[in-house]
Amino acid sequence: GNSVTQMEGPVTLSEEAFLTINCTYTATGYPSLFWYVQYPGEGLQLLLKATKADDKGSNKGFEATYRKETTSFHLEKGSVQVSDSAVYFCALIPGTGFQKLVFGTGTRLLVSP
Amino acid sequence: DVKVTQSSRYLVKRTGEKVFLECVQDMDHENMFWYRQDPGLGLRLIYFSYDVKMKEKGDIPEGYSVSREKKERFSLILESASTNQTSMYLCASRRPGQGNEKLFFGSGTQLSVL
Repeated sequence: GNSVTQMEGPVTLSEEAFLTINCTYTATGYPSLFWYVQYPGEGLQLLLKATKADDKGSNKGFEATYRKETTSFHLEKGSVQVSDSAVYFCALIPGTGFQKLVFGTGTRLLVSP
Repeated sequence: DVKVTQSSRYLVKRTGEKVFLECVQDMDHENMFWYRQDPGLGLRLIYFSYDVKMKEKGDIPEGYSVSREKKERFSLILESASTNQTSMYLCASRRPGQGNEKLFFGSGTQLSVL
């Protein structure tokens, strides 16, 4: 089946630290991969995406590279800010069938000044 | 920008009550979705709808039903609320097609069943 596995949180960092949130997946066909972010009190919003192997998605200083050989899509940011504190969800749309998103369990990031 | 509006931010109901959660989107999207979000479990799909009057079960449909009489509105119904349905409920919409995978989410309804 299709599934997404994320590292458990919370991830606690100081401002300007380097961030990595791990994400691996299992999927049929060639999935598209996504990172969504949920700020406190808000719904989820798309952060970045990659639709084929070796693609790099990027937005707001965040990056993730679609690695087919390791079935991974790790989220990175070189220097986090307090405003990046949120819950981050890795997700995929399978390569076959209806385009239904499958989400990971989410990773809470806490950034302190 | 697309707006997905959920009618209530917080809702408190009693066990056995019939509960309606409403969701409206303003961008003429064909696809609409209901998820519940629970700590440690992430988002789980309850029901989705391809288009008006069409509905499909998601991964956890038990205890829920849905209604899509108009394109812009997708309602989630708890026929007889139970305490294990206490959760954050998120509605989302999307226009289908290649390159249109992005979901637009509402801000959620936190439902407490006592």
